[in-house]
Amino acid sequence: DAGVIQSPRHEVTEMGQEVTLRCKPISGHDYLFWYRQTMMRGLELLIYFNNNVPIDDSGMPEDRFSAKMPNASFSTLKIQPSEPRDSAVYFCASSLLGYGYTFGSGTRLTVV
Amino acid sequence: DAKTTQPPSMDCAEGRAANLPCNHSTISGNEYVYWYRQIHSQGPQYIIHGLKNNETNEMASLIITEDRKSSTLILPHATLRDTAVYYCIVRVADDYKLSFGAGTTVTVRA
Repeated sequence: DAGVIQSPRHEVTEMGQEVTLRCKPISGHDYLFWYRQTMMRGLELLIYFNNNVPIDDSGMPEDRFSAKMPNASFSTLKIQPSEPRDSAVYFCASSLLGYGYTFGSGTRLTVV
Repeated sequence: DAKTTQPPSMDCAEGRAANLPCNHSTISGNEYVYWYRQIHSQGPQYIIHGLKNNETNEMASLIITEDRKSSTLILPHATLRDTAVYYCIVRVADDYKLSFGAGTTVTVRA
């Protein structure tokens, strides 16, 4: 298996633009998590899904952030409009039955 | 979730065992201890987890004290590639969220 695949690896965008981050989980995994990592706040859980259904989105910072999982093999995290303080590395992870997450390589987002 | 306390950093010698401590004095009976590590610029990597018994896999061993208030992750023969931030996390059995703290920055020196 190729592991959890995230795209793009790097994204540079201007403030106010819409940004879409993508994640392909490991086939057969039933949980999917989105995390954000900054130097100041470390790794923060944003939202997680079980069987494509959002279970807990309490970590989503504000309405500008939204996440979807239309099927078992794809998820998106969208920021609209983006702001400089959204600059971070965004990680997607998947898990079977909630144990032993496998993380992707992350998307480094820079909002200028 | 119970909080964990880890030393901010530690050094160890290549080829020697690295023993990483973690305190979780408020852990409950249904909470697991998980260890992850993050090598620079990569996503975190699962290492091992346990509830009460000691656990061992190809990467490491996890020793949990009898009262479960602390644990030690053991890397049996540390290599330079084990240099990373190591996170000790306590997770409730039926709650699938993992909350990462600051971890321990481990530097393996030749």
